[in-house]
Amino acid sequence: EPEVTQTPSHQVTQMGQEVILRCVPISNHLYFYWYRQILGQKVEFLVSFYNNEISEKSEIFDDQFSVERPDGSNFTLKIRSTKLEDSAMYFCASSERLAGFTGELFFGEGSRLTVL
Amino acid sequence: DAKTTQPTSMDCAEGRAANLPCNHSTISGNEYVYWYRQIHSQGPQYIIHGLKNNETNEMASLIITEDRKSSTLILPHATLRDTAVYYCIVAGSARQLTFGSGTQLTVLP
Repeated sequence: EPEVTQTPSHQVTQMGQEVILRCVPISNHLYFYWYRQILGQKVEFLVSFYNNEISEKSEIFDDQFSVERPDGSNFTLKIRSTKLEDSAMYFCASSERLAGFTGELFFGEGSRLTVL
Repeated sequence: DAKTTQPTSMDCAEGRAANLPCNHSTISGNEYVYWYRQIHSQGPQYIIHGLKNNETNEMASLIITEDRKSSTLILPHATLRDTAVYYCIVAGSARQLTFGSGTQLTVLP
């Protein structure tokens, strides 16, 4: 069964460092998402991405965050200067359609980011 | 997105049906009811969604009341692997899902 894969599974970084989280969406999917979950809290939407541009983003997704699809398979989330409060599990997701989409998002297993 | 209300936790005996309720009294006409689950901090997993009619797939059934103000997710034969947090989400599309606190379902042997 096709799946969304994420790397690394766990990253530890120092405050102020840049971090890149990587995702390989399902191959025929065209729409990509990042969510995050701070330990013990709710899953929160960050951003959706289609056709090489951001479709929607939440208030959390400020200038410290960026997303990119550098090639035909990877989808990345970059945090430029990490803060302690960025420590969370980051989930990538993909779907077949976006506009008017009412179906299923496929989530990866997540990348745990720990900022010290 | 309309808000949902779910019980914090529920138990279910293995092999029995698990019925998870959700209230969404402010749902609007074009909003769907989605159910996802999260097993022990893994990525959320889609279960089912519906608009007005009851829906069934290989994982579960979704029963939506006629006034659409509440719904019930039914896992017909719960197993230990169904122990998870179950999220009921109301949204006009699946593009930007707002997860609440969900219901912690514990399936007991």
